[in-house]
Amino acid sequence: DAGVTQSPTHLIKTRGQQVTLRCSPKSGHDTVSWYQQALGQGPQFIFQYYEEEERQRGNFPDRFSGHQFPNYSSELNVNALLLGDSALYLCASSPQNRAEQYFGPGTRLTVT
Amino acid sequence: AQRVTQPEKLLSVFKGAPVELKCNYSYSGSPELFWYVQYSRQRLQLLLRHISRESIKGFTADLNKGETSFHLKKPFAQEEDSAMYYCALSGVSRGNQFYFGTGTSLTVIP
Repeated sequence: DAGVTQSPTHLIKTRGQQVTLRCSPKSGHDTVSWYQQALGQGPQFIFQYYEEEERQRGNFPDRFSGHQFPNYSSELNVNALLLGDSALYLCASSPQNRAEQYFGPGTRLTVT
Repeated sequence: AQRVTQPEKLLSVFKGAPVELKCNYSYSGSPELFWYVQYSRQRLQLLLRHISRESIKGFTADLNKGETSFHLKKPFAQEEDSAMYYCALSGVSRGNQFYFGTGTSLTVIP
């Protein structure tokens, strides 16, 4: 099991563009959460998906949206990119009936 | 408001010395507390969860509900312990979001 995987590894976008990040959860996990980690900060919760629906959402604008597929993989979409969206985006998955989260390596997004 | 505070951004100790990484939290309910570690060029990984009450790599952490603390301790630091450590909390029921502290960078001096 490769664990949680994310693609792409790095991404450079221009302000105003849109971006899609992808995540495959660890085998046997059905819940996926997304986090934004700015330089020098801890991960900040964006939202969580379970059974293809957004179950929880952090304090992020509607420009951030997501999706979960029947195979539990997930996408994070960010519209109208701002310079401040530059960060490491982490995906984490959770096993059934347990709270702890297992993280992917992240996608480094740079907005110029 | 839910919050996790790690007061030390940087911490340096000598090899063989005891180490304590501090974590305080505020949460309206019964949280689950975790410590995550990130070694250089590796992904964030779970180190400890308080309900397991286990020792991993010589580290232990005790939840003190009176002081709302969950400090991470190790009696004898090793060079391979040098890493970034994050304290995190989640609500007891599944589906509650995680709140992370800002992290403490631990350097163990040979």
